[in-house]
Amino acid sequence: AQSVSQHNHHVILSEAASLELGCNYSYGGTVNLFWYVQYPGQHLQLLLKYFSGDPLVKGIKGFEAEFIKSKFSFNLRKPSVQWSDTAEYFCAFRSNDYKLSFGAGTTVTVRA
Amino acid sequence: EAGVAQSPRYKIIEKRQSVAFWCNPISGHATLYWYQQILGQGPKLLIQFQNNGVVDDSQLPKDRFSAERLKGVDSTLKIQPAKLEDSAVYLCASSDRTSGSEQFFGPGTRLTVL
Repeated sequence: AQSVSQHNHHVILSEAASLELGCNYSYGGTVNLFWYVQYPGQHLQLLLKYFSGDPLVKGIKGFEAEFIKSKFSFNLRKPSVQWSDTAEYFCAFRSNDYKLSFGAGTTVTVRA
Repeated sequence: EAGVAQSPRYKIIEKRQSVAFWCNPISGHATLYWYQQILGQGPKLLIQFQNNGVVDDSQLPKDRFSAERLKGVDSTLKIQPAKLEDSAVYLCASSDRTSGSEQFFGPGTRLTVL
């Protein structure tokens, strides 16, 4: 069965610290990969996506993610977080049947 | 561009009662999705429509859940009767193609079953 696992349930860090959220998927075929973010009180929105090509993708608000096919991973990174990055982050992938499968999410709390 | 609209935003009911949620997708989006997000978990797809036809409802508990999109625009998700474990946020999303397109999510309806 296809699945997504996110390594951390809750991450707490200070402003200007670097952030890396782990994501691994379980699926043997071609996948499209996504990171979604949900800010407090807001709806889910797309942060970035990978379909093909350069495995290092850049998204909004200074986020980037790297697809490593051999490790079935799609980790999210940001070099220097801000208080406004406090949110819940979801990794998701889409397989050939076009269904989105989400991870359980990682809550990121940035302390000012 | 207006986003995906959902109502109500919050609903509290007792078990065995019925409840319905409404979704209005982004104009022109042919594909509509309903997700269930239980606290501490990621969204789980319940049903996917392409226009007014069902593409995938394999994870919809059909003994109590139903959904329709009669005119290929708005959609309604119903639970009858509700159980305690149905407490969750119900998200609606839409996209403009069935493949390769970003899904845009609504604010969700938070259901509490007592």
